Amino acid sequence: AAGVIQSPRHLIKEKRETATLKCYPIPRHDTVYWYQQGPGQDPQFLISFYEKMQSDKGSIPDRFSAQQFSDYHSELNMSSLELGDSALYFCASSLGLGLGKTQYFGPGTRLLVL
Amino acid sequence: AQTVTQSQPEMSVQEAETVTLSCTYDTSESDYYLFWYKQPPSRQMILVIRQEAYKQQNATENRFSVNFQKAAKSFSLKISDSQLGDAAMYFCAYIRNTGTASKLTFGTGTRLQVTL
Repeated sequence: AAGVIQSPRHLIKEKRETATLKCYPIPRHDTVYWYQQGPGQDPQFLISFYEKMQSDKGSIPDRFSAQQFSDYHSELNMSSLELGDSALYFCASSLGLGLGKTQYFGPGTRLLVL
Repeated sequence: AQTVTQSQPEMSVQEAETVTLSCTYDTSESDYYLFWYKQPPSRQMILVIRQEAYKQQNATENRFSVNFQKAAKSFSLKISDSQLGDAAMYFCAYIRNTGTASKLTFGTGTRLQVTL
């Protein structure tokens, strides 16, 4: 079965640079979620989209923005990168929003900020 | 705010044996969902099992089963006939049951080691 696709899988950036992470949900899934997992930590919710509209927002820095496109893929844009942004960024998708819909995670993008 | 606590940072089990991972949570909601996710060394987050709070019957998925005690706010995962491939970090997670709830709240994880 098709899974969530994330690209790139690995990314190395310098401080103050910009990064764009992409997420392609499971076919027919209309909801996308972004999580950040720091080293040795549990995943922290950043933001979610349902039918191309932002549905919820968590602890996402103002330097980050995201959107969901008409084909349901999503992009997380990160500007003015800081060392502390080094983390594993997960995208997850579900069919529908809320009501305990199971979130299926992608393999993650490992971002290293030098 | 909801919190999820996993009090066992590390656990070890011998192959073919049974192990139980603990999870407690705190919420004022009466309707919610609970999950166990597995994160092997590849760091992929893989759904193991899902429990709906309004269902009294404990969920099972092959060798994986849960003991859901709603009054005690406890949600433990039992792995039977442990296999080497079960070695991973296991995260317990909570989400409210509303029409718009998106945020999974995770515990800090339990690292499971499987020995021969």
